[in-house]
Amino acid sequence: SQTIHQWPATLVQPVGSPLSLECTVEGTSNPNLYWYRQAAGRGLQLLFYSIGIDQISSEVPQNLSASRPQDRQFILSSKKLLLSDSGFYLCAWRTGYGSYEQYFGPGTRLTVT
Amino acid sequence: AQTVTQSQPEMSVQEAETVTLSCTYDTSESDYYLFWYKQPPSRQMILVIRQEAYKQQNATENRFSVNFQKAAKSFSLKISDSQLGDAAMYFCAYRAYGGATNKLIFGTGTLLAVQP
Repeated sequence: SQTIHQWPATLVQPVGSPLSLECTVEGTSNPNLYWYRQAAGRGLQLLFYSIGIDQISSEVPQNLSASRPQDRQFILSSKKLLLSDSGFYLCAWRTGYGSYEQYFGPGTRLTVT
Repeated sequence: AQTVTQSQPEMSVQEAETVTLSCTYDTSESDYYLFWYKQPPSRQMILVIRQEAYKQQNATENRFSVNFQKAAKSFSLKISDSQLGDAAMYFCAYRAYGGATNKLIFGTGTLLAVQP
């Protein structure tokens, strides 16, 4: 069966510091991968999606970036965090064909101080 | 642009009773998908139920069912025989048919409390 992992689970970082959040999927190949952010008391907003290795599309321009160095690995990064980057970050995956459901990882709670 | 609206920030239900969560959406598309996700205190998003817009029959998953009114652009979730474990934030989501993104557009959520 497929599983999705995210780490770290919780992170507290000062303003201006770098960020690296990792997401990996097991049990499937060539998944579509997504990064969402959930601000306090709000729904999820799509940040990035990827249909393959090194194929990244951005939905919201900001100081975050994403990379997909391997088929089942998706990384969210920042060179300098802002206070507004605080939130709950969720990674999701979907099979490339014949499926329209997205399955989410456990998430990372990021607090920028 | 598509939007999803959940007008009930909070709802409460007695254990074993039935509750309905509301969701409306706006789209000019004729083919799309709708979902309800549950987010318990652990904050992991769990898919509860899905509905294809081309299907007239309302989707059902055990105690969870939807009332899909395409003309009214309404997609409500009914939870029957509510259990304590149903307490969570519930999000309605829309996804367009086709396209490269397949992104989900979420509502702002409804926090459901289940009273023993």
